[in-house]
Amino acid sequence: NAGVTQTPKFQVLKTGQSMTLQCAQDMNHNSMYWYRQDPGMGLRLIYYSASEGTTDKGEVPNGYNVSRLNKREFSLRLESAAPSQTSVYFCAAYRDPPSHGYTFGSGTRLTVV
Amino acid sequence: AQSVTQLDSQVPVFEEAPVELRCNYSSSVSVYLFWYVQYPNQGLQLLLKYLSGSTLVESINGFEAEFNKSQTSFHLRKPSVHISDTAEYFCAVSEWNRDDKIIFGKGTRLHILP
Repeated sequence: NAGVTQTPKFQVLKTGQSMTLQCAQDMNHNSMYWYRQDPGMGLRLIYYSASEGTTDKGEVPNGYNVSRLNKREFSLRLESAAPSQTSVYFCAAYRDPPSHGYTFGSGTRLTVV
Repeated sequence: AQSVTQLDSQVPVFEEAPVELRCNYSSSVSVYLFWYVQYPNQGLQLLLKYLSGSTLVESINGFEAEFNKSQTSFHLRKPSVHISDTAEYFCAVSEWNRDDKIIFGKGTRLHILP
């Protein structure tokens, strides 16, 4: 099915380890996003990319880096994981016009111990 | 900047009873409004949207929402809920001149009681 694919689905890291969350979309959308979801906090935007080669900070960018490798792929990197980064991470893609809203991946559940 | 407030973090309701999930927004310009649904252990899916025109919008599974500009609200309703409606529901808003940036509320968890 067309959509947004995230890998891995689950990950456990030790404090200080690094890892990259992968996201790929096959819908030829320009804009892509990374959110984190925490209980009672809803979805908070970490970074977004309005087009290939551009990235911008969202609400909670500290501790993360992103890379828009090409139009399909948008990765999120944790350089030195901390327990506060334990969360569920969602990637999303967006296409004009706004009637389509966002298409979300199924999420990555990350635990930092 | 726009913002979204979902007034209830959890709503318990008996099966086959009606439900209303409340959402208010703030913005200085015209907006687009959305409701997304997240079933357990899944990502978010678009449930319905208001872009323009008729203020009452409907989804394929019996939900409806009404855009009320004077009250800056976009409440979600269903006349009779089913156990399969158990999920978290997110209200979201984007501004017409920045429609690629959607702001989400904190979500309302709908619990269906047997």
